Amino acid sequence: AQSVTQLGSHVSVSEGALVLLRCNYSSSVPPYLFWYVQYPNQGLQLLLKYTSAATLVKGINGFEAEFKKSETSFHLTKPSAHMSDAAEYFCAVRTGFQKLVFGTGTRLLVSP
Amino acid sequence: GAGVSQSPSNKVTEKGKDVELRCDPISGHTALYWYRQSLGQGLEFLIYFQGNSAPDKSGLPSDRFSAERTGGSVSTLTIQRTQQEDSAVYLCASSKLAGGPYEQYFGPGTRLTVT
Repeated sequence: AQSVTQLGSHVSVSEGALVLLRCNYSSSVPPYLFWYVQYPNQGLQLLLKYTSAATLVKGINGFEAEFKKSETSFHLTKPSAHMSDAAEYFCAVRTGFQKLVFGTGTRLLVSP
Repeated sequence: GAGVSQSPSNKVTEKGKDVELRCDPISGHTALYWYRQSLGQGLEFLIYFQGNSAPDKSGLPSDRFSAERTGGSVSTLTIQRTQQEDSAVYLCASSKLAGGPYEQYFGPGTRLTVT
């Protein structure tokens, strides 16, 4: 069975500070990994995905994530937070076909 | 191009009534997924379509829930005899092909409130 764990339901940063959102996965086979962002009252928007082509993946809005097999992690980072980054972020895993399995989400709060 | 659309955006219904939620996927996407998002349960998978077939219905919570897809396009999620615990945001997603690296594109969701 596959699963993801997102550490920290809430993360607070100051504008301009580093953003680090943690995601650890569990999978018995090589996974595909995704980060999605959800703004209030909207659907999910894909930030980036890992498909085994490269371990460091760059996404939209300046976000990137690094796949570390030894740590079973896929943490999301951004060097400098912006007020517009305030949202909820979901890590998700999929193996083979079908559904995404989501983590519980991390709400990012950005203060001026 | 147009994204995934869902209707209605909001639905308030009385307990015991039936509701239908509609999803229009991105044109040409063969795979379609339904998820439910609620405060207590997070994001849960409900059902997945490949074309008009549903190879995985494992997430449907009870036999009150059903879904169909016609013409390899529009999908309808039906909830019969709604209960208060059905209150949630129902999200639809589509992808070019099923599984693998193909990302799912999500619609804005339908917020269902059962009173």
